[in-house]
Amino acid sequence: AQKVTQAQTEISVVEKEDVTLDCVYETRDTTYYLFWYKQPPSGELVFLIRRNSFDEQNEISGRYSWNFQKSTSSFNFTITASQVVDSAVYFCALRRYSTLTFGKGTMLLVSP
Amino acid sequence: DTAVSQTPKYLVTQMGNDKSIKCEQNLGHDTMYWYKQDSKKFLKIMFSYNNKELIINETVPNRFSPKSPDKAHLNLHINSLELGDSAVYFCASSSSQQGDRVEQYFGPGTRLTVT
Repeated sequence: AQKVTQAQTEISVVEKEDVTLDCVYETRDTTYYLFWYKQPPSGELVFLIRRNSFDEQNEISGRYSWNFQKSTSSFNFTITASQVVDSAVYFCALRRYSTLTFGKGTMLLVSP
Repeated sequence: DTAVSQTPKYLVTQMGNDKSIKCEQNLGHDTMYWYKQDSKKFLKIMFSYNNKELIINETVPNRFSPKSPDKAHLNLHINSLELGDSAVYFCASSSSQQGDRVEQYFGPGTRLTVT
């Protein structure tokens, strides 16, 4: 069975702080894909990044960076210099075939 | 241009009624999905269709019946609505051609409230 754990249910930071959202996954597959989605207060789900199990390179996109460590089954997401617009629920997900298994999400509140 | 659209955005109805939610995608994808997000924000897949054929049916009551008239549409019909059906329902789509690599694109969601 596949499982995704986002242990942080809610994080509050002040603008310009760096924040890391944790994601730990469980799977018996050797090939799999991991994703992060953002759900802002408006409710839509926005795709942020995809990472496959063979590529452990960290990725940076602007203020966002992702740290994938297969040895610890973790795919953590860091926002540098957070902004109020980053306030949202962030979901980590694991995909096998057509099934996306989501974590329970981490609500990030960035205050000015 | 909207990639994945759903109608209606909000749906308020009484217990026992039958209702439908429509979903359309203009991305040329061949796989479509329905997810349910409960009040605690937990997202769970309900159905998956590939080329109009049902490929995933997670433990969903048979009061829920998806219908795919063509690859671009996947509608969700719900019979005999119950209070516990209140949730946000998301439609999504993806292409199967690249296997697991391709991300799923989500619609804006339909907030269903059963009173």
